[in-house]
Amino acid sequence: KAGVTQTPRYLIKTRGQQVTLSCSPISGHRSVSWYQQTPGQGLQFLFEYFSETQRNKGNFPGRFSGRQFSNSRSEMNVSTLELGDSALYLCASSSSPGRDSYEQYFGPGTRLTVT
Amino acid sequence: QQQVKQSPQSLIVQKGGISIINCAYENTAFDYFPWYQQFPGKGPALLIAIRPDVSEKKEGRFTISFNKSAKQFSLHIMDSQPGDSATYFCAASRANDMRFGAGTRLTVKP
Repeated sequence: KAGVTQTPRYLIKTRGQQVTLSCSPISGHRSVSWYQQTPGQGLQFLFEYFSETQRNKGNFPGRFSGRQFSNSRSEMNVSTLELGDSALYLCASSSSPGRDSYEQYFGPGTRLTVT
Repeated sequence: QQQVKQSPQSLIVQKGGISIINCAYENTAFDYFPWYQQFPGKGPALLIAIRPDVSEKKEGRFTISFNKSAKQFSLHIMDSQPGDSATYFCAASRANDMRFGAGTRLTVKP
């Protein structure tokens, strides 16, 4: 079974621009979660989507948004990029059929650099 | 607010020794406690996980000990190997809202 895939793997953007990152979950997984990883703040939960609906949300500003498609693929968007948005963005998928916690499997991440 | 506190920040162990990493959580609603291993340039990989109705879980050289009353859990790596050198994260989750510890950088010296 193929793992979680994320595209692109690397991205360089300028302050003020917007960016869209993509995540394809493991086949059969319906839950997709997004995380931001930085040296200073560590791994922080952004949001989780299940069956095309945002089910959980972390403490990030509204510039960070996401969506999930009917095939469970997910995208996250960051608008009006700031230098502090430079990070590794990780996507994780889970087979969670409901609201219980299940194993989450991470993709390799997208390294975003904002200049 | 840091919901999961992890220690130590870094750990150096000799080959064959035992590596121990500790975590404490605050929210009693958490119902799932995984440990992840991350190598440079890679995403975190699920290592082992436990639910609060169990006090210990062992998989190969990796063991989680869980103390529900103290709201603490720990990872023990037996017979540590140089290939175990990585950053380890504990986490606590409720309905896939997962909160991570700050990470422990483990170095196993040959």
